[in-house]
Amino acid sequence: EIVLTQSPGTLSLSPGERATLSCRASRSVTSNYLAWYQQKPGQAPRLLIYGASSRATGIPDRFSGSGSGTDFTLTISRLEPEDFAVYYCQQYGGSPPETFGQGTKVEIK
Amino acid sequence: QVQLVESGGGLVKPGGSLRLYCAASGFRFSDYYMSWIRQGPEKGLEWISYISGSGDTIYYADSVKGRFTISRDNANNSLYLQMNSLRGEDTAVYYCARDYGGRDYWGQGTLVTVSS
Repeated sequence: EIVLTQSPGTLSLSPGERATLSCRASRSVTSNYLAWYQQKPGQAPRLLIYGASSRATGIPDRFSGSGSGTDFTLTISRLEPEDFAVYYCQQYGGSPPETFGQGTKVEIK
Repeated sequence: QVQLVESGGGLVKPGGSLRLYCAASGFRFSDYYMSWIRQGPEKGLEWISYISGSGDTIYYADSVKGRFTISRDNANNSLYLQMNSLRGEDTAVYYCARDYGGRDYWGQGTLVTVSS
């Protein structure tokens, strides 16, 4: 099983600032099948990034993903008020089980 | 538009059974793998199972293997999760999700509470 470790656990930032979230895998992620999700309280997760760097439909270009192998990053270039939420990474598409990271909470400073 | 709607959750005693449903619309259901993913109270996300479009490829997480069964009815655009021998640790919101470059569409979730 691939273990995904996200850091930091909580990120305290102000609107307009840049957010950098990390996701590290215990071994190489198959074909960079790494996704990022945003989840707000009481809502289902929303897909932001798939294939490590491709934005999902309708996702603003302030969200970007990068990385390969075992180290991946989600960057939010300028935080909008609606971006304060919990973010999860997930590896998929390889041998099961699929796994999620434990989440990074982006909170208003 | 793509829509996924779960139902069937509720309160069940330990050792009991429950069947979850996911009604899909707005896309060609049989073309897509589908997953069940759960989230315990104040916890993160846990993938528990997926099924191929034809239903001939199925995988489970170890935590539910032998107790849960995923299935689908493509004629009725429906996904199912039969849950047996339920335990307290199965308490969670259960989501169905479409598989396409990650999980691109999710339902709103259905709450399963396992408690005596």
